[in-house]
Amino acid sequence: DAGVIQSPRHEVTEMGQEVTLRCKPISGHNSLFWYRQTMMRGLELLIYFNNNVPIDDSGMPEDRFSAKMPNASFSTLKIQPSEPRDSAVYFCASSPGQGGSGANVLTFGAGSRLTVL
Amino acid sequence: AQTVTQSQPEMSVQEAETVTLSCTYDTSENNYYLFWYKQPPSRQMILVIRQEAYKQQNATENRFSVNFQKAAKSFSLKISDSQLGDTAMYFCAFIGIQGAQKLVFGQGTRLTINP
Repeated sequence: DAGVIQSPRHEVTEMGQEVTLRCKPISGHNSLFWYRQTMMRGLELLIYFNNNVPIDDSGMPEDRFSAKMPNASFSTLKIQPSEPRDSAVYFCASSPGQGGSGANVLTFGAGSRLTVL
Repeated sequence: AQTVTQSQPEMSVQEAETVTLSCTYDTSENNYYLFWYKQPPSRQMILVIRQEAYKQQNATENRFSVNFQKAAKSFSLKISDSQLGDTAMYFCAFIGIQGAQKLVFGQGTRLTINP
């Protein structure tokens, strides 16, 4: 398996522009997570899905952020409009999410580094 | 709410030495998992080791082992015979089995292995 695949790896955009980050989870994994990493706040959970359904989006900072999971193999995190304080590394992770000892083991993608000028 | 605390922002040791990273957590749950993740400069998050709370035996993975003290809510990571490639940020993380399935991270410890 190729692991969790994220794109783009790097994105530089100007304030006010729309940003879309993409994630392909590991095939067969039922849970998908979006995290944001900054120096000041560390790793924060933004939202997670179980079986394509958003379960907890309490970590989404504000209405400018939205996430979708239209099918089991694809998710997007969108920021519109983007602001400089959104600059961070955004990680997608997936886990089996079912019974068994490995159910809660998250595998992370390589991350998308976003810079908003 | 669960919280994870890593009290050592930075640590530095010589190659081949043993180093222990500290982690404490707070939860009202009885069943949960604890993890250590490594983040090298490549920024990839790599699972180092995990521990199920219901298991009394401490987990080990080659040079990596943990000291899990459930009553004290402590979960330290010991790296034996440290190598230059162990240089990275190390994050302690918690996830409950019941309720919210959210992996909560500590703030991380930056570990540097010196030649």
